[in-house]
Amino acid sequence: AQSVTQPDIHITVSEGASLELRCNYSYGATPYLFWYVQSPGQGLQLLLKYFSGDTLVQGIKGFEAEFKRSQSSFNLRKPSVHWSDAAEYFCAYNNNDMRFGAGTRLTVKP
Amino acid sequence: ETGVTQSPTHLIKTRGQQVTLRCSSQSGHNTVSWYQQALGQGPQFIFQYYREEENGRGNFPPRFSGLQFPNYSSELNVNALELDDSALYLCASSTSGASTDTQYFGPGTRLTVL
Repeated sequence: AQSVTQPDIHITVSEGASLELRCNYSYGATPYLFWYVQSPGQGLQLLLKYFSGDTLVQGIKGFEAEFKRSQSSFNLRKPSVHWSDAAEYFCAYNNNDMRFGAGTRLTVKP
Repeated sequence: ETGVTQSPTHLIKTRGQQVTLRCSSQSGHNTVSWYQQALGQGPQFIFQYYREEENGRGNFPPRFSGLQFPNYSSELNVNALELDDSALYLCASSTSGASTDTQYFGPGTRLTVL
């Protein structure tokens, strides 16, 4: 079955530390992959997306993600986390119907 | 440029009732998608409307229905409400129904079914 898996339900990092959020997908063809962020009480905001070409994708707010076909992964990274990055992060793929992972909640320690 | 708006913000209904949620798409967008986000979960795709026609549907029963109007705004209707329908309902608009399109999300409607 087609699915998106985010193995980490909750991650805590210190402000200024690096961050990596994991995402694995299960789909035969190359999917169209997205990372969204959701702050409390708000809708989802697109951070970045991958369709083809360069497997390292740059997004907003200093985020980047790397598509690895061999590992069926699309992990999100940020070199230095800010307190304002605390939120829920969702990985998704779209093949006529957008499928989201369960999300990873990021807590940032001072 | 106005973003995606949804109304109402919050809604409380009882089991068996019917509810209508509304979504205004972003200017220039002709596609609206609806999602259900239960507490602690990711959004689940309900259906998508492209130029007033249903353009895809997720695994939701027929009591979830929708409409898209000539101005591309949209409604989500849910009949015979069940307790499990309690969730945040999100709509998103995009420039077309293509899988590559960025979807722009509204803030959601929080539905509580008692």
